[in-house]
Amino acid sequence: NAGVTQTPKFRILKIGQSMTLQCAQDMNHNYMYWYRQDPGMGLKLIYYSVGAGITDKGEVPNGYNVSRSTTEDFPLRLELAAPSQTSVYFCASSYQGESVGRGYTFGSGTRLTVV
Amino acid sequence: GEDVEQSLFLSVREGDSSVINCTYTDSSSTYLYWYKQEPGAGLQLLTYIFSNMDMKQDQRLTVLLNKKDKHLSLRIADTQTGDSAIYFCAESIGQAGTALIFGKGTTLSVSS
Repeated sequence: NAGVTQTPKFRILKIGQSMTLQCAQDMNHNYMYWYRQDPGMGLKLIYYSVGAGITDKGEVPNGYNVSRSTTEDFPLRLELAAPSQTSVYFCASSYQGESVGRGYTFGSGTRLTVV
Repeated sequence: GEDVEQSLFLSVREGDSSVINCTYTDSSSTYLYWYKQEPGAGLQLLTYIFSNMDMKQDQRLTVLLNKKDKHLSLRIADTQTGDSAIYFCAESIGQAGTALIFGKGTTLSVSS
């Protein structure tokens, strides 16, 4: 099925551990995004990418890193996990940003708990 | 900085109309969006409106845009229990609408 695939769906990390959240899309979208969703706080943009090899910071980038070596994949890396990074993480993609008004396609999310 | 504000909760009875309001700050946003999130799921695009429009109707959904006041609303006619969800307003930021900024979401509860 076409869409945005995120793995894993759930993960528990210990403080100080690192991990990579995977995101892949098969719609040939050039724009990709990472958001985190905290209860009652809506979605906050972590990083985004407008094409392979190009990434930029969003509203809350501290503690995260990204790379975009292919059009399809946009992994998010947590180097030293902290309890404040407990959240639900959503990856999304779109065709050329909002220029065609199609909005984003979202993945189903990764629920991360840091203990 | 950019900010999107929404009321947090709305409770209606089945069959009534629901109106969810939103204010935004970036007057250069080309499109404004409404997304729906059901429990345990990602966000699903409901509808959007181009910034040079005042109103857009899509079946039971009506979007009203007041650009002067930077106010956006979503009206759901004949609200059903299946409409119970969190509704997010979003505006675009950056050159060519590079990324979306979301409000905190309005939880709509529909009782039968």
